[in-house]
Amino acid sequence: EAQVTQNPRYLITVTGKKLTVTCSQNMNHEYMSWYRQDPGLGLRQIYYSMNVEVTDKGDVPEGYKVSRKEKRNFPLILESPSPNQTSLYFCASSLRYGYNEQFFGPGTRLTVL
Amino acid sequence: KQEVTQIPAALSVPEGENLVLNCSFTDSAIYNLQWFRQDPGKGLTSLLLIQSSQREQTSGRLNASLDKSSGRSTLYIAASQPGDSATYLCAVMNTGNQFYFGTGTSLTVIP
Repeated sequence: EAQVTQNPRYLITVTGKKLTVTCSQNMNHEYMSWYRQDPGLGLRQIYYSMNVEVTDKGDVPEGYKVSRKEKRNFPLILESPSPNQTSLYFCASSLRYGYNEQFFGPGTRLTVL
Repeated sequence: KQEVTQIPAALSVPEGENLVLNCSFTDSAIYNLQWFRQDPGKGLTSLLLIQSSQREQTSGRLNASLDKSSGRSTLYIAASQPGDSATYLCAVMNTGNQFYFGTGTSLTVIP
């Protein structure tokens, strides 16, 4: 089944403890992206990747890192999480940017205490 | 910076009614616009994708239109059903490689 998977789905952690949220797609998509969704603010793009080894900042990149070493995987890294990073996170992918629809993962709900 | 607005924020209609959801954007330099539906606690499901060169797209009871020059898109839902209750989001794909989302319209269809 064609899909975008994220792990974990739920995470409660404490301030400063490094964490990684994994994202994987099995559709050979070039473009991958991370978003956070907050009440009243909607979805905002954190980072995106046009292809392997090509990443760039979205609108809200502060406090996050990403890497794209393989086409299928695009992990989101929080080196030192803070409470303002408590949010619902989504990973998405599309075959090629500008031409094809985005497919979204199920989301990861992160709470930083 | 692109700004995407969706009006109304919430809408409640009786079953069977036709309805229109609105999306406006400030920068017309877009590749395309995509409509999604989001159910509570769930991810986003793609409904329709309209390329910047297109005027409209249809899928079943859904019809989306795009007027790039005026920065507007509408999602028309015909003969609404209770199962259509969800939040509807529009997103624009900018020529600057980024996506921008509206904050959504929460739709409730009353049986």
